[in-house]
Amino acid sequence: GAVVSQHPSWVICKSGTSVKIECRSLDFQATTMFWYRQFPKQSLMLMATSNEGSKATYEQGVEKDKFLINHASLTLSTLTVTSAHPEDSSFYICSARGEGGWPTEAFFGQGTRLTVV
Amino acid sequence: GQQVMQIPQYQHVQEGEDFTTYCNSSTTLSNIQWYKQRPGGHPVFLIQLVKSGEVKKQKRLTFQFGEAKKNSSLHITATQTTDVGTYFCAGHNNDMRFGAGTRLTVKP
Repeated sequence: GAVVSQHPSWVICKSGTSVKIECRSLDFQATTMFWYRQFPKQSLMLMATSNEGSKATYEQGVEKDKFLINHASLTLSTLTVTSAHPEDSSFYICSARGEGGWPTEAFFGQGTRLTVV
Repeated sequence: GQQVMQIPQYQHVQEGEDFTTYCNSSTTLSNIQWYKQRPGGHPVFLIQLVKSGEVKKQKRLTFQFGEAKKNSSLHITATQTTDVGTYFCAGHNNDMRFGAGTRLTVKP
C-alpha cells in the first residue's frame, strides 16, 4: 500500500512558540491532503483540506491564521501551529490521496502528538 | 455540509459474540471507507465501498453499502480479542469526513 510519513511523531513546545508538522507521501503524488485533529477518545475532526498549489480550505471554526497549511508540492504538506497554547495540545494527523489514478483511498500518516506547556 | 453519523459509540462484547457498527450520511456519498484505530495508533484503512448495495467480506468482517449510498455497516462475526479498537467510517465526496467511531472492547 501507499506510504505517508508524518514528522515529528511527538513534540513538546513552550506556550507562545510555533510548531511545524510535515506530511509526506513517499510513493505517490498526493494531489489532496487532509489535516485532522483528534482529542483523546474522540473521532478525527477535519481541520482543512489542501490541494497542491492552492490555498487550503478550512473547516468552520478552525483559525486559518493559527493553523497554517502549505501544500507546495505533490509530496509534501505542512501544518504550522502558530503561537501555540496549552489548549492546542492534541493529536494531529494527516492523510493523503492521489487523484484519478492510485491510490483512490486516503492513507494516513502516523500522527503527531503535540503537547504545549 | 456533509455529516456522517455513526452508532453505537461504544460496544462491549464477550469474545465470540458478533458486533455491528452503523454509519449514516446526510448526503449521498461517492464512496465510503472503513478504518480501524488501535489505542495509541493511527487509523488503518480496511476497505472501500463504491457501488450501491455493495457487500464485501474480509474473513470475519462484512461491509455493506446501502442502495442509496448514504449508509453503511461493518459486521464482525465471532469477535476475538484482536478485534479491539475503534472502528471509523469515512464518507467520501470532495473531502473525507469521519463518523464518531465505535469503540469495541472484547472480554475474553
